[in-house]
Amino acid sequence: AQSVAQPEDQVNVAEGNPLTVKCTYSVSGNPYLFWYVQYPNRGLQFLLKYITGDNLVKGSYGFEAEFNKSQTSFHLKKPSALVSDSALYFCAVRDIGSARQLTFGSGTQLTVLP
Amino acid sequence: EAQVTQNPRYLITVTGKKLTVTCSQNMNHEYMSWYRQDPGLGLRQIYYSMNVEVTDKGDVPEGYKVSRKEKRNFPLILESPSPNQTSLYFCASSSSGAGTEAFFGQGTRLTVV
Repeated sequence: AQSVAQPEDQVNVAEGNPLTVKCTYSVSGNPYLFWYVQYPNRGLQFLLKYITGDNLVKGSYGFEAEFNKSQTSFHLKKPSALVSDSALYFCAVRDIGSARQLTFGSGTQLTVLP
Repeated sequence: EAQVTQNPRYLITVTGKKLTVTCSQNMNHEYMSWYRQDPGLGLRQIYYSMNVEVTDKGDVPEGYKVSRKEKRNFPLILESPSPNQTSLYFCASSSSGAGTEAFFGQGTRLTVV
């Protein structure tokens, strides 16, 4: 079975500071990993994904994520946070060998303080 | 514009009254799925479909039905809704590759009283 853990329900960061939203995963095989963002009253929007290759993945709006196979982690990062980055962030995983759709973490509410 | 369209966006109903939430995608995607979102639980998969006439249970299928008669449509049916099905529901679609990202609808907020 595949699973995702987001250990922090809430992350607060000052505008202009770097941000990190943590994600760890568990799959039986090799993972495909995704980050999505949800703004209030909106659906989920795709940010970035790791399929294979470079461990550092760059995505939309200046976000990036680092895949670490030994630590089974896929943390989301941004060098300089904006107030407009405040939203709910979800990490998701799919086992390469699985026919199922994505398994999501519980979500992390990011608040960027002006 | 590529999109996943859900209807209705908001629905209040009474216990036991059958309802259908529609989902349609215009990207010719093979995979479609339904999720429910509850505070602190993230998104949990209800049902998914790998193609027309091919559906399977997700993590929380009890109390729900789906059908996939056409590639673009994947309705979610609650034949006898109960208050514990009050939730925010999302439909998603993606192409067949396991590494492809999913596209989500805007969500349907369902309240069962």
